[in-house]
Amino acid sequence: DAGVTQSPTHLIKTRGQQVTLRCSPKSGHDTVSWYQQALGQGPQFIFQYYEEEERQRGNFPDRFSGHQFPNYSSELNVNALLLGDSALYLCASSLISRVETQYFGPGTRLLVL
Amino acid sequence: QQQVKQSPQSLIVQKGGISIINCAYENTAFDYFPWYQQFPGKGPALLIAIRPDVSEKKEGRFTISFNKSAKQFSLHIMDSQPGDSATYFCAARTISNSGYALNFGKGTSLLVTP
Repeated sequence: DAGVTQSPTHLIKTRGQQVTLRCSPKSGHDTVSWYQQALGQGPQFIFQYYEEEERQRGNFPDRFSGHQFPNYSSELNVNALLLGDSALYLCASSLISRVETQYFGPGTRLLVL
Repeated sequence: QQQVKQSPQSLIVQKGGISIINCAYENTAFDYFPWYQQFPGKGPALLIAIRPDVSEKKEGRFTISFNKSAKQFSLHIMDSQPGDSATYFCAARTISNSGYALNFGKGTSLLVTP
């Protein structure tokens, strides 16, 4: 059983560009959350998707948007990239009925030049 | 602002010793307190967790102590091993009718020397 998978593993973009990151949840999971982890910091909650809707959102600007598909996979989109967006982006999945058990993927390392 | 404050930032412990990491919070709406372990190049993995109505939880060599009145909780790693060398994050959960979110501390880099 594959755990949470994310693609790509690494990405380099320039300021002002747009990026799309992808996440496939653990088999059977229906809820996907996205986190941003800057170097040397703890993960910061971006938003959470369930039933293809954004259910909860952290303190991130509208440049950060997402989507969940009928197969529960999810995308994170970031527009107008800033240097400060350079970070590890983590996806975590869980069952909405068992929120304590949240599994993280290995992350996508984004570098903005 | 950081809702969960974690200390120390780094920790060096000899093999067989006890590693202790502390966290403090202010938001009394937090209802669940997990600890995550993260190795380089990997995502965080759930290690152990506790609810605020319990003062202590033990799983193998890992123990969480929880002090609700002081709004503090800590992770104790007994008989620390070199394989425990990793970054540890405490977290606290907020939950609403629409969803939930984890608020993480800044992390503690643990090095266990042979």
